[in-house]
Amino acid sequence: DGGITQSPKYLFRKEGQNVTLSCEQNLNHDAMYWYRQDPGQGLRLIYYSQIVNDFQKGDIAEGYSVSREKKESFPLTVTSAQKNPTAFYLCASKHQGGTFPEAFFGQGTRLTVV
Amino acid sequence: QKEVEQDPGPLSVPEGAIVSLNCTYSNSAFQYFMWYRQYSRKGPELLMYTYSSGNKEDGRFTAQVDKSSKYISLFIRDSQPSDSATYLCAMSLNTNAGKSTFGDGTTLTVKP
Repeated sequence: DGGITQSPKYLFRKEGQNVTLSCEQNLNHDAMYWYRQDPGQGLRLIYYSQIVNDFQKGDIAEGYSVSREKKESFPLTVTSAQKNPTAFYLCASKHQGGTFPEAFFGQGTRLTVV
Repeated sequence: QKEVEQDPGPLSVPEGAIVSLNCTYSNSAFQYFMWYRQYSRKGPELLMYTYSSGNKEDGRFTAQVDKSSKYISLFIRDSQPSDSATYLCAMSLNTNAGKSTFGDGTTLTVKP
C-alpha cells in the first residue's frame, strides 16, 4: 500500500537530548514537509523539501534540522536548542505540479520531554 | 494577523444537524482551497478541495469559496457522530510543491 510512515508513534526525550523522527514515503512524491501541531492549534511548518539534497526553512525552523538524502526519506531532528519540543509532529508529502493540490499526511509522532 | 483565520469552535451539534465551518483569508493570490479532517491523534486527511470560486458537493459535504469576500465554508448535512473530528482549512497558491497555509482548525462534536 502507498503511503507515509512515521516512526515512532510516541517518543520521550530527556532535557538536553537530540532526537530524530523518521518519515518515509513510497508515493514517489518530490515534496516532503514537517509540521508541528500544538493542542488547539493548527499546523505550523518547520521545514520542507522539494527535491533531494535541498530543503527550506518554514515558519518555526529554530531548534530543528532535517536532511533529504533520498527521495523517500525526510528525517527531522529535534535538537536541544528547541526549548519547547513537546508537540505532535506530522510529516506530509505532495505531488509536484499537476492539478491535484493534496498533501498526504503520516499518522504523526507525539514527542514528550521528560 | 494570520494569513488564514478559522472559526475557533469548539462546535457541538445534535445528530442530523447542518454544520457550517468557516475560514477567511487575506492573500488574494490563493487559488486552491482545501478542507482536511483530522481524527484525534491521527494525521489529517483531505476531505475536499476547490479550485478558485464556486461550490463543490460530495455526498453530505459541500465546499463553498467566495474569492471576492476571501471567505470559504464547509457545510455538512445530516451530521453523524462519525463526523466528530477537527476540521482544518488550507490554502495554496498553486499545485506546485510549495507550502500550503493552514487554519487552526475547528473541533466538531456530533452528539447522538
